[in-house]
Parts: sequence; C-alpha cells; structure tokens
Amino acid sequence: AQTVTQSQPEMSVQEAETVTLSCTYDTSESDYYLFWYKQPPSRQMILVIRQEAYKQQNATENRFSVNFQKAAKSFSLKISDSQLGDAAMYFCAYRIGEYGNKLVFGAGTILRVKS
Amino acid sequence: GAGVSQSPRYKVTKRGQDVALRCDPISGHVSLYWYRQALGQGPEFLTYFNYEAQQDKSGLPNDRFSAERPEGSISTLTIQRTEQRDSAMYRCASSPTVTDTQYFGPGTRLTVL
Repeated sequence: AQTVTQSQPEMSVQEAETVTLSCTYDTSESDYYLFWYKQPPSRQMILVIRQEAYKQQNATENRFSVNFQKAAKSFSLKISDSQLGDAAMYFCAYRIGEYGNKLVFGAGTILRVKS
Repeated sequence: GAGVSQSPRYKVTKRGQDVALRCDPISGHVSLYWYRQALGQGPEFLTYFNYEAQQDKSGLPNDRFSAERPEGSISTLTIQRTEQRDSAMYRCASSPTVTDTQYFGPGTRLTVL
C-alpha cells in the first residue's frame, strides 16, 4: 500500500524567510504524481504545486518549489520569501500514474508565519 | 469559471438520521471524487466516478455509505442511519480526466449528535 509521511506536525517561519516542509512516500510504482495542497483557516483545499515522477526537473511555482529525490522517495516543499498569507496546513499527496485515481494524503504540517 | 461547489456547507443531524451531501463539479470535468477528512488529518478517499460510472468504491467504510452520479455531473453521497463517528468534513473533487489534477470543493462539515 502507498503511504505518505509528513514528519513535521508544525513549523514556524519569520516573514520574508524561507522554510522547507518535508514529505516522504512509499511506493513500488515507477509512474506516479506528487502534490502539495494548502489548507488555510477557511479549510479550502488549494493546489500549490504538482510534480510528475518521470520528470527530473523540480517543479516551481513562483515562491514555491520542490526538491524531488526519487531514489530517496522524498518530496519537500520550499517556500521562499514567506508571507503572512502562507500560514496554513500543508498536505503532501501521492497518486499512481496513468490508471490511478485516488489521492493518498499525509497527515499535514501546520505552518505558522511570524511577522 | 466556477469551481467545485458543495451543499450544504454545514449539516447537523441526529444519530440515526439519513443525510445526503451534494457535489456540483466544475463544468466539463469527467472525473469526480469523494473524500472524508477528520479534524487535523489529511483527506481519505471514499469513492470515484468517471462520467456516471462508479469506478472505485473501495474507500466507503461500510454499507451505510453510498454515492451516485446518475447523469455524469452532480453527485450525491448518502449516509444512512448516521452515527457519531461519521462526523467529519466531506470533500468532493473533480478533474478534467482521471489523470489530471483534482480540484477540491469547500467541503460539507457533518456533525452527528
């Protein structure tokens, strides 16, 4: 079975600083997708970034980037120039490739941003 | 365009009552998913539709839970004879096809007294 582990229940970062959230996963598949979702206090689920396992290049979306280490099954999220609006619960998620449907989520990391 | 919508946003019911939760996906999205999220946890998969066909219901916890999507658009998740342990946020997501990114609705918070 696929599992996703987020080992940091809570993280804090100073505004304008950089923070990295960790995620590891366990799978025997070679084709899969990885995601980071953000859940602010409103409890919406907002896609932050997506990475295809077959791509060696790390995905980047503005201030958000990932460090994807396929051999180590690690998928960390780096947030640069942190803003107060980044404060939220962040979930790492995994989905099997071509025939996959369900997302498997980690338990989440609460990110607090200090002004 | 409009995102995924869910109704009601909040539902309080008494133990033993049936509830129906509705999901209206993004227009044109073929795939629709239901998840359940306990407080402080990540969402857990319940079931998935491709058009009107229920392709995977492996996550439904027991036979009190059922879902349908009769016309391949709006979906309803029904919980019969609700129990307190059913209290959670129920989330719907849709995607253009099964391999695309899933976009989530705001969720329905269900409280069973």
